[in-house]
Amino acid sequence: GNSVTQMEGPVTLSEEAFLTINCTYTATGYPSLFWYVQYPGEGLQLLLKATKADDKGSNKGFEATYRKETTSFHLEKGSVQVSDSAVYFCALRGNQGGKLIFGQGTELSVKP
Amino acid sequence: GAGVSQSPSNKVTEKGKDVELRCDPISGHTALYWYRQSLGQGLEFLIYFQGNSAPDKSGLPSDRFSAERTGGSVSTLTIQRTQQEDSAVYLCASSSQGFDTQYFGPGTRLTVL
Repeated sequence: GNSVTQMEGPVTLSEEAFLTINCTYTATGYPSLFWYVQYPGEGLQLLLKATKADDKGSNKGFEATYRKETTSFHLEKGSVQVSDSAVYFCALRGNQGGKLIFGQGTELSVKP
Repeated sequence: GAGVSQSPSNKVTEKGKDVELRCDPISGHTALYWYRQSLGQGLEFLIYFQGNSAPDKSGLPSDRFSAERTGGSVSTLTIQRTQQEDSAVYLCASSSQGFDTQYFGPGTRLTVL
């Protein structure tokens, strides 16, 4: 079945550091890929998405490229801020129905 | 506009009791999803509604769990004879169609004592 694997956290970075959170997936067909973010005390919010191979999703300085050849959708940001501290979830939506399958989440802590 | 709302925000119950969790989707959204977020299992899909019908119930963990949706809007997730392993945050999401972006509510934190 479909699945998503994320790098384990927690990840601790200093402000302005470069961020990469790895995400790989297993799926049949051509899934859509998502990154959701959960800030402390808040609900899940869509950060970015990509619906086909080689698409790049971007938002708030974050980027991720849908790589079919490596079945990956790694999240990157060039310079993190303290306000980026949150839990990040990679997810996929397959071709059969709308349900999302999530990775286990990666907690990011950015120190000033 | 208003987002997805859920009630109650917190629910504490005793083992063996029944609980009902409510979700109000974004107005006009035809698709509605329930997920569960727990420490041990992460974020798990429970059930998907398109209108009032549920084409995918594959994530419901047991027959103690049921859900309904009426009028193509509000949905209720019912857990009968709650167990301690049911303790989790129950999340609801809605989208304008089944394959569109899902918007999540704040969740209901259920604690079974």
